[in-house]
Amino acid sequence: GDSVTQTEGQVALSEEDFLTIHCNYSASGYPTLFWYVQYPGEGPQLLFRASRDKEKGSSRGFEATYDKGTTSFHLRKASVQESDSAVYYCALSGVPGANTGKLTFGHGTILRVHP
Amino acid sequence: AQTIHQWPVAEIKAVGSPLSLGCTIKGKSSPNLYWYWQATGGTLQQLFYSITVGQVESVVQLNLSASRPKDDQFILSTEKLLLSHSGFYLCAWATGGQNTLYFGAGTRLSVL
Repeated sequence: GDSVTQTEGQVALSEEDFLTIHCNYSASGYPTLFWYVQYPGEGPQLLFRASRDKEKGSSRGFEATYDKGTTSFHLRKASVQESDSAVYYCALSGVPGANTGKLTFGHGTILRVHP
Repeated sequence: AQTIHQWPVAEIKAVGSPLSLGCTIKGKSSPNLYWYWQATGGTLQQLFYSITVGQVESVVQLNLSASRPKDDQFILSTEKLLLSHSGFYLCAWATGGQNTLYFGAGTRLSVL
């Protein structure tokens, strides 16, 4: 079945550091890939998505490029801020056009940014 | 703009007691609606989905049920709570045929 593996546990950075959270997936065909961000006590919010090989998604300074060759969708940001502290989830949807709404999520990566 | 409202914000319930959680979406006609569950510190797991009023599909068996009594409303319930039901319940919507989910703020459930 489909699966998503992302950087485990917690990433601790200082403000203005460069961020990379790794995400690798396993799925047939061309799944749609997503990054969601979840702040404490809230539901996940969509950061962005990508549906085709080499497509770049971006939002709020975060970006990721769909790479079918390496089955990856790594999240990067050049300069993090304390307000970026949250849990980040990589996810995939394996069936374009389906109504099942079944996203396969990674286990989440906690980002803590210190001032 | 679409808004999704979940209620209650949090619940503390006893094992064996009944539960009803609700979700309402405004500003979107005939959305697909979904229930997801998140264990504390865990990932998200889909429970149910519905593409039209009166029709609900179960994805996993967790002694929970769901209903869609109106186009804009999705209800999650059980007659007898278990300790394992504790967690964060999230309602989400999507446009029909699309796979991008938009989540509500969630309901925190503690079963004691």
